[in-house]
Amino acid sequence: DIVMTQSPDSLAVSLGGRATINCKSSQTVLYSSNNKNYLAWYQQKPGQPPKLLITWASTRESGVPDRFSGSGSGTDFTLTLSSLQAEDVAVYYCQQYYTTPITFGQGTRLEIK
Amino acid sequence: EVQLVESGGGLVQPGGSLRLSCTTSGFTFSDDWMSWVRQAPGKGLEWVANIRQDGSEKFYVDSVKGRFTISRDNAKNSLYLQMNSLRAEDTATYYCARDGDSGSYLNSWGQGTLVTVSS
Repeated sequence: DIVMTQSPDSLAVSLGGRATINCKSSQTVLYSSNNKNYLAWYQQKPGQPPKLLITWASTRESGVPDRFSGSGSGTDFTLTLSSLQAEDVAVYYCQQYYTTPITFGQGTRLEIK
Repeated sequence: EVQLVESGGGLVQPGGSLRLSCTTSGFTFSDDWMSWVRQAPGKGLEWVANIRQDGSEKFYVDSVKGRFTISRDNAKNSLYLQMNSLRAEDTATYYCARDGDSGSYLNSWGQGTLVTVSS
């Protein structure tokens, strides 16, 4: 199974500040035949289901604010939130869909400092 | 508007069975892979199973293989999860989710149904 490890487990950022969440996979999720990274990011607010933010490591879903950005390739990925807003308080998860079983990172809790 | 509504959760004794349902609308159900994902109280997300559009392929996480069965009825736009031999560690909110059209990212989720396994 591919193990997804996020860091940090939690972080606190000032309003308007920048948050960086890292995700590392135990093996590559880059499919060589199409040069795509099978990596997604989700946001989960309390009492709500997860919401898909980013696919293919860096493609924002429709309606996701451009302050959310994804980067990385192979085994190392980053979700960056620039200019943090109050509504961004949530737990963020990375997920690999390169192979089954599909696996998620343990989550990173983002709070306002 | 895409909607997924889970039902069938509840309290069950260890060793018991439960069948979850997910009724969908707002998209062509038969076009998409579908998944179940669970979340234990206060914990992270765990993918449980998914199923191909026509039901011909099914995949499971190891911890539920042989106990859980995913199925679908495309005529009813519905997804199911039959859960047998339930254990305390199966206690979780179970989410129905729609897979993406080009990969198993999960682009739509239901609100979830809580399954509690306890005596």
